[in-house]
Amino acid sequence: LAKTTQPISMDSYEGQEVNITCSHNNIATNDYITWYQQFPSQGPRFIIQGYKTKVTNEVASLFIPADRKSSTLSLPRVSLSDTAVYYCLVGDGNYGQNFVFGPGTRLSVLP
Amino acid sequence: GAVVSQHPSWVICKSGTSVKIECRSLDFQATTMFWYRQFPKQSLMLMATSNEGSKATYEQGVEKDKFLINHASLTLSTLTVTSAHPEDSSFYICSAREGQLVQETQYFGPGTRLLVL
Repeated sequence: LAKTTQPISMDSYEGQEVNITCSHNNIATNDYITWYQQFPSQGPRFIIQGYKTKVTNEVASLFIPADRKSSTLSLPRVSLSDTAVYYCLVGDGNYGQNFVFGPGTRLSVLP
Repeated sequence: GAVVSQHPSWVICKSGTSVKIECRSLDFQATTMFWYRQFPKQSLMLMATSNEGSKATYEQGVEKDKFLINHASLTLSTLTVTSAHPEDSSFYICSAREGQLVQETQYFGPGTRLLVL
């Protein structure tokens, strides 16, 4: 399974853009990259998924360089309610296999 | 997005009793369901993967006789913690996926907090 490395924590201020980078040096050809958000005492919530280049949806963008050994989740103009733990997951590409959750990045948005 | 529910949202039980937690996919059929456990300030740890109609696949270190998983229908999976002990107190979260391919989105339930006295 591809292992991921993320910063343990980050601080930001309201209205700023936040970029969280995840390293996955041994990502396999068939692996997808998925990001989840988790608030305390809640289940994780899907944010975005990508395979290569750039993916954008209504809440975030995901940038993946050509070598796919890292990815960056970009949250535009964060608010206090974006304070949460963000997990980067890399699927191992095998049929029927699951993601492994790393420790995640604890984002604190300050007023 | 798809909705996954869990019941109960929290439960307190005495040591030695069994507790059943239900996980339902409300608006899609879940071929694959997953059960996770999360301790305070820690990440989610996968306990087992279940495909509808077949036996669950447990992760290393998870006792299959203690954590019974049933995935009898495409919308319901249950986790039974048998003979619960205080060390089983944790936040249990299920997730569901329509198919079996890893790139398909997993939708998570809200979690069930278990406290064993």
